[in-house]
Amino acid sequence: AQSVAQPEDQVNVAEGNPLTVKCTYSVSGNPYLFWYVQYPNRGLQFLLKYITGDNLVKGSYGFEAEFNKSQTSFHLKKPSALVSDSALYFCAALSYNTDKLIFGTGTRLQVFP
Amino acid sequence: EAGVTQFPSHSVIEKGQTVTLRCDPISGHDNLYWYRRVMGKEIKFLLHFVKESKQDESGMPNNRFLAERTGGTYSTLKVQPAELEDSGVYFCASSRDALSSYEQYFGPGTRLTVT
Repeated sequence: AQSVAQPEDQVNVAEGNPLTVKCTYSVSGNPYLFWYVQYPNRGLQFLLKYITGDNLVKGSYGFEAEFNKSQTSFHLKKPSALVSDSALYFCAALSYNTDKLIFGTGTRLQVFP
Repeated sequence: EAGVTQFPSHSVIEKGQTVTLRCDPISGHDNLYWYRRVMGKEIKFLLHFVKESKQDESGMPNNRFLAERTGGTYSTLKVQPAELEDSGVYFCASSRDALSSYEQYFGPGTRLTVT
């Protein structure tokens, strides 16, 4: 079965420090990969996507993610965390022959001042 | 351009009652998707409309769930009768067409609580 894994329920980081939110996938073919963010009482907002090309993808709010095919990973990163980055982050994958997104369980990012 | 909207934002009902959730996609978007997140778990696909037709309903949990998209515009998702395990956040998403089906725009979700 196809799946996306986010091994950490919560990530805590001090403001100004770099952050990483982990994601691995098990999807057939060459998947499209996404990161979404959900702020409190808000919907899912698109952060970034990997379709093809450069393995390092840059997205909104200074976030970036690195596609690693050999490790089937797509970790989300930011060089310097802000308190306002505190939210719930979802990794998702789309197999090339389907329209349905496969999501991970989400990782809550808490950035402390 | 208005985003995807969902109504209501929150619904609390008793077990056995009926609830209808509504989703208005971005105008002109042919594709409409329903997803659900049960507390603490992953967001799971429920079904996909292309215009008014159900393209894929493989994620619908059982026949207590009925989705419609009459006229190919807004969609409703009815749960009848609701059970405790139906509690969760129901997200709707839309995308323009088959070529851009990976660009799914999500609504704010409807939080359903069944007591």
